[in-house]
Amino acid sequence: DAGITQSPRYKITETGRQVTLMCHQTWSHSYMFWYRQDLGHGLRLIYYSAAADITDKGEVPDGYVVSRSKTENFPLTLESATRSQTSVYFCASSVVREPPYEQYFGPGTRLTVT
Amino acid sequence: QKEVEQNSGPLSVPEGAIASLNCTYSDRGSQSFFWYRQYSGKSPELIMSIYSNGDKEDGRFTAQLNKASQYVSLLIRDSQPSDSATYLCAVEISGGYNKLIFGAGTRLAVHP
Repeated sequence: DAGITQSPRYKITETGRQVTLMCHQTWSHSYMFWYRQDLGHGLRLIYYSAAADITDKGEVPDGYVVSRSKTENFPLTLESATRSQTSVYFCASSVVREPPYEQYFGPGTRLTVT
Repeated sequence: QKEVEQNSGPLSVPEGAIASLNCTYSDRGSQSFFWYRQYSGKSPELIMSIYSNGDKEDGRFTAQLNKASQYVSLLIRDSQPSDSATYLCAVEISGGYNKLIFGAGTRLAVHP
């Protein structure tokens, strides 16, 4: 049972380049989330998705694009990377049957923008 | 601005003691609360969730919720060095359906 996986685990890119972070879950969870974690800010929600083809903004969406054509995949794209997007990115998923709706995290992608 | 506040620590406790981690939140309508453990360089791992007022116990962990005081805590009994990690408190935003706000975390150090 692979659960939730992210790729790549580490990425170095240059300012202005487009980069896509991948997230894949095998649980068939309806909800998926993207967070970034920075020192001093904790985890902040970037985008989330309630189901395939349904996405919405979180707290810090600027500079990011998401899509969800299949339930199991939720890629995050930085259209033109900036140094301020250097961070650790976590994908999470959640099933919603009855509260509390627990979220489970992937291993993370450490992104450095030079 | 909805907020979740935690003492950053480090909270240092001897092995075998009870560690008490606290979290306050500003959204009075929040219903669901979570505690995650995060080891350095790793992803957050869910250890407790709580929905109703009162206590919820799972092994050595007890989550305590007081909605009137907007306060949630995590007690770790018989603390072990392997419990040394950062503990993140997360609160579901009222009306935000499954959207969480995280505290910055409390670093716990359990010394032998």
